[in-house]
Amino acid sequence: EVQVLESGGALVQPGGSLRLSCAASGFTFSTYAMTWVRQAPGKGLEWVSGISAGGSNTYYADSVKGRFTISRDNSKNTLFLQMNSLRAEDTAVYYCAKVTGRYCSTSCFPFDFWGQGTLVTVSS
Amino acid sequence: DIQMTQSPSTLSASVGDRVTITCRASQSISSWLAWYQQKPGKAPKLLIYDASSLERGVSSRFSGSGSGTEFTLTISSLQPDDIATYYCQQYNNYWTFGQGTKVEIK
Repeated sequence: EVQVLESGGALVQPGGSLRLSCAASGFTFSTYAMTWVRQAPGKGLEWVSGISAGGSNTYYADSVKGRFTISRDNSKNTLFLQMNSLRAEDTAVYYCAKVTGRYCSTSCFPFDFWGQGTLVTVSS
Repeated sequence: DIQMTQSPSTLSASVGDRVTITCRASQSISSWLAWYQQKPGKAPKLLIYDASSLERGVSSRFSGSGSGTEFTLTISSLQPDDIATYYCQQYNNYWTFGQGTKVEIK
């Protein structure tokens, strides 16, 4: 059974940093791209960042470019999101999701398995 | 960046009704479109990919159509379990979600 489990969400002050983790199981982690999606309270879904299967290609939404860094450890089946210079507008539930393909080329791929999310609150 | 616009934002229908949600892309995305269902407090669930392909295990009451810039999600006979918010997503150029359509029972 495919499972992805996020952790690391917390209350952090504006300007602070946080690192999210996502532990994956039930599939060959190293052969699929992975992604982070967030959802602010009462709002819709916003794609945040993605990473190719091997980790060599990374993709970011303009809203987080230069502040967030996505990475993965294929030996530990774990995805990460390093979030720096956090702002109030980064407050959201952050979901980790498995992408159905290895990397984006002429197109990307949809997300077929999602975790339950971890809450990040940026507030003083 | 590709923008995705869904309509309506909220939809109220009776059990058994045929329900249609529309999604428009700001530029052509071929058939690189997915639909997701999200119930309150839960993670989104993939329903449709490549505009019209049904994800394994998803009820055949759900269907998708369209290409280019105009897409639709249809629920053939609305059931109480279908109460949720539905999102379209383009994956032609990275990923963008529509703003969501909340489906309620009348």
